[in-house]
Amino acid sequence: DIQMTQSPSSLSASVGDRVTITCQASQDISNSLNWYQQKPGKAPKVLIYDASSLEAGVPARFRGSGAGTHFTFTITFLQPEDVATYYCQQYDSFPRTFGQGTKLEI
Amino acid sequence: QVELQQWGAGLLKPSETLSLTCVVHGESFNNHNWTWIRQPPGKGLEWIGEINHSGSTNYNPSLKSRVTMSVDTSKNQFSLTLISMTAADTAVYYCARGRGVVVYDYWGQGNLVTVSS
Repeated sequence: DIQMTQSPSSLSASVGDRVTITCQASQDISNSLNWYQQKPGKAPKVLIYDASSLEAGVPARFRGSGAGTHFTFTITFLQPEDVATYYCQQYDSFPRTFGQGTKLEI
Repeated sequence: QVELQQWGAGLLKPSETLSLTCVVHGESFNNHNWTWIRQPPGKGLEWIGEINHSGSTNYNPSLKSRVTMSVDTSKNQFSLTLISMTAADTAVYYCARGRGVVVYDYWGQGNLVTVSS
């Protein structure tokens, strides 16, 4: 299985801050990576697909970048409603695997 | 508007079998893959497996010996069966649509399944 390692596991930031989360794959996955946001008690919501493509309807303050084994997820102007846990997920090979999550607090 | 609605038993005893079903509204069942993902309380997401309209499946090897997925295209629904449940299988189980196979863009509401004697 491809291991996805996210860092940090949690972080606290202020409204208006720029926040960055990283995701490291245990092997080259090209750009086969999605980012999800999950709020308490809710199903995850896809924000970024193919490592850097913004899902329709998602605010442009969410960005993704990277390829190969190193990926970055950025929120450029943190809003109160961004409090959530964020997950990366690879789809290069089976089984699909997720990072352990990054809990974002304000 | 695409909507996934799921249902199934919420409380099982050890060794019992989990059965969950997910019905797809507002979408042709034939265009995508259909996936099950679970999340133990307070923990991360685990991909269980996927199935397409023709019944072709991919399972997580960690669960493969206990998992079966099926489809009923006439009802626009797909199902998950997981045998020999243990406390370690306690989780919220989600069904989801795999757009282009790989992007999980629509999700069911989730079912908390608790395994306890």
